[in-house]
Amino acid sequence: KNQVEQSPQSLIILEGKNCTLQCNYTVSPFSNLRWYKQDTGRGPVSLTIMTFSENTKSNGRYTATLDADTKQSSLHITASQLSDSASYICVVSDQAGTALIFGKGTTLSVSS
Amino acid sequence: NAGVTQTPKFQVLKTGQSMTLQCAQDMNHNSMYWYRQDPGMGLRLIYYSASEGTTDKGEVPNGYNVSRLNKREFSLRLESAAPSQTSVYFCASSEAGRRQQPQHFGDGTRLSIL
Repeated sequence: KNQVEQSPQSLIILEGKNCTLQCNYTVSPFSNLRWYKQDTGRGPVSLTIMTFSENTKSNGRYTATLDADTKQSSLHITASQLSDSASYICVVSDQAGTALIFGKGTTLSVSS
Repeated sequence: NAGVTQTPKFQVLKTGQSMTLQCAQDMNHNSMYWYRQDPGMGLRLIYYSASEGTTDKGEVPNGYNVSRLNKREFSLRLESAAPSQTSVYFCASSEAGRRQQPQHFGDGTRLSIL
């Protein structure tokens, strides 16, 4: 069964600290994986998208990694800011385009 | 550049009432989507449209209908609203003319059914 599991469910960190969010999936055959950021009361905004052949992609202070062999991805946030407080959602697609599975998200709270 | 625009932003309905959620995109994207987001669950696809004139069911289509009026607009209709349809509804779009991960989302319609 195609699944996407994100961990932790929620996370609280101090401003300026780094953090890493995890996304594990069973979707096969894998096509690509995208990370979104969703601020409270807003729609998701795409941060990065990675295909099978890519293992790292950055967008400012956000760096996504992908290990297609272990079916794991992580999103690393460097020097966190209050504005990073949001839900982070991982979505994985298969090659046929028939499976497009959203994770339930990780809620990140950055405090001062 | 507005991106994906949804109206209304908030709506309260009584059980059995009908309404249409509106969505428009100005990016000349081919594919458009309707999702619902409920607490503790991932985004779930209701319907999508890979191109003007075509629509396909997603994971949770029961109780909904859609219309792809033209390339820009994709509407979602609840014919007889039920409390189980209380949710936040997101419209999204992507460039390719096939189902894929959305590139852009609207800011949602918060719908409560009493």
